[in-house]
This record gives sequence, structure tokens and C-alpha cells, in this order.
Amino acid sequence: AQTVTQSQPEMSVQEAETVTLSCTYDTSESDYYLFWYKQPPSRQMILVIRQEAYKQQNATENRFSVNFQKAAKSFSLKISDSQLGDAAMYFCAYRSASLFYGQNFVFGPGTRLSVLP
Amino acid sequence: NAGVTQTPKFQVLKTGQSMTLQCAQDMNHNSMYWYRQDPGMGLRLIYYSASEGTTDKGEVPNGYNVSRLNKREFSLRLESAAPSQTSVYFCASTLNPDRPNTGELFFGEGSRLTVL
Repeated sequence: AQTVTQSQPEMSVQEAETVTLSCTYDTSESDYYLFWYKQPPSRQMILVIRQEAYKQQNATENRFSVNFQKAAKSFSLKISDSQLGDAAMYFCAYRSASLFYGQNFVFGPGTRLSVLP
Repeated sequence: NAGVTQTPKFQVLKTGQSMTLQCAQDMNHNSMYWYRQDPGMGLRLIYYSASEGTTDKGEVPNGYNVSRLNKREFSLRLESAAPSQTSVYFCASTLNPDRPNTGELFFGEGSRLTVL
């Protein structure tokens, strides 16, 4: 079974600085998706960024970028120019591309990010 | 578009009471899910429905039942609530067969359930 690990339960960053959240996963598959979701205090789950495993290029979305290391099974999220609105819980998630696995998603335990003014 | 809508947003139950969480999506998604979120444990899958007419157990199904009423609606029922079921529940959906598969889950706003 696939697993997702986020080794940093809490992190903090100064406003306007850069922070990197770590995520590692375990799988025997070669084709899959990886995601970072943000959960602010409103509780809503918001997709931050998506990466397809077959793509070597790291995904970027404005101030958010990932460092995808397929061989190392690592998928870190970098937030540049951090803003107060970035304060949230961040979840790393894995999804098999194979329909055989019932399209299940596996989530990490989350990293709570605080942004200091 | 409303996306994924779940009700109620908040509920307090007494041990042994029953209730149903309702979920509906308007994105023509084939697959729907129910997760629970507990501190330090991420999201854990309770049940999912890969397509209309099918349901399967997830990681933590005990104490729950589900019904995929039609393509749009997927309900979660607690027959006899227990304090261990105090949690935040999320409904989610994915996979529109008429659009490119981008892979991600779309979530409802969550339902906070407290069992006393």
C-alpha cells in the first residue's frame, strides 16, 4: 500500500521569505499523481499544485513550486514571498493513475504553516 | 457551479443516535468519496464510490454505511454514533468522463460532527 509522510508537523516563516515543506511517499507504481492541498482555518481544502509522475519538469503555480524527485520519492513544496494568507495546514497527497486501485488518494498527516509578520 | 455541497455543516449528537451526512456534486464526476479528518492523522478514507451503482470500503469503514443514490449524490450514515466518530467529515469527488483527467479531488466544505 502507498504511504505519504510529512516529517514536519509545524513550520513557520517570516512574511516575504521562502519556505519549503517536505513530503516523501512510498509506492511501487511508475504512473501516479502528486498534489499539495492547502487547508486554511475556513476548513476548505484547496488544491495548490499538481504533478504527474511521468512529467520530469517540476510544476509551478505563481509563488508555489515543487521539487519532484521521482527516484528519491520526494515531493517538496516551495512557497516564495510568503504572505499572511499562506498560513494554513498543508497536505501532501498521492493518487495512483491505475483504476485498479480504486482511484484512492493517500494523504500525509499535514504540516501546519505559520506566517510571521 | 456549486461544486461539491455537503450538509449539515455542524451537528451534535448523543451516543447511540443516528444521522446521515448528505453530499451532492454538480460536476458530472463518476467517483465520490467520504473522508474523516482527525488531528495529526490527515484524511482517512471511510468509503468511496468509483462509479454510480458501486461502493467500496476504505481505510476506516466501521460504524458507517453509504449510499450512492445516483450519479450526483453520495450519503454517509452513522447508525449508532459513538464518541470515537467525533471528527470533521469531507465529501469529495473526481473524474468527469467528458473532460481531461487532471487527477485531483474536489472537496466539499466539511461537516463537523461531535458525539457526546
